[in-house]
Amino acid sequence: EIVLTQSPGTLSLSPGERATLSCRASQSVRSTYLAWYQQKPGQAPRLLIYDASSRAAGIPDRFSGSGSGTDFTLTISRLEPEDFAVYYCQQYGSSPPVTFGPGTKVDIK
Amino acid sequence: QVQLQESGPGLVKPSQTLSLTCTVSGGSISSGSYYWSWIRQPAGKGLEWIGRIYTSGSTNYNPSLKSRVTISVDTSKNQFSLKLSSVTAADTAVYYCAREFPVIVGATALFDYWGQGTLVTVSS
Repeated sequence: EIVLTQSPGTLSLSPGERATLSCRASQSVRSTYLAWYQQKPGQAPRLLIYDASSRAAGIPDRFSGSGSGTDFTLTISRLEPEDFAVYYCQQYGSSPPVTFGPGTKVDIK
Repeated sequence: QVQLQESGPGLVKPSQTLSLTCTVSGGSISSGSYYWSWIRQPAGKGLEWIGRIYTSGSTNYNPSLKSRVTISVDTSKNQFSLKLSSVTAADTAVYYCAREFPVIVGATALFDYWGQGTLVTVSS
């Protein structure tokens, strides 16, 4: 089972700033099968990025993903007020179970 | 547009069985090569995958819950269901159903559609 760790646990930033979130896997992720989800309070997670760098339908281009192997990054180029949320990474393409990272909370400084 | 909606009791007594149903609309649960999953989230905590079912009836469960979980599908009603037995307070969580979009047959996949979630509290 691949274990995912995310850092930092909390990121305090102001609107307009750049956010850089990290996701590290305990072993190499198959191909670039890494997804990022955004979750706002009281809502279900929403798929943002899949295959490490592909934006899901309707996701603004200020969200970008990169990485391979064991190290992945989600970047939000300029934070909008609606971007303050918790972000989870998830690896896929391996044998079950599905695993998620513990999440990074992006809050307003 | 595919939509998922969880339903079931919001309160379950300790040692009893938690039962939830997910109704899929906007598409047939039998079409495409999707898995249909359950995921839970205790208050203030992260996401835990419970298990999934393919429309053939094939299932995969999280080893940490396997002994207590049963997931089934009713294609005639476009629904799939979760049963979790012998619940304790530790099973109190928001339970989500989700569609799992596979990239490799049999492997884990990404979640492209989610239900809104339903809170289940385990308490006497």
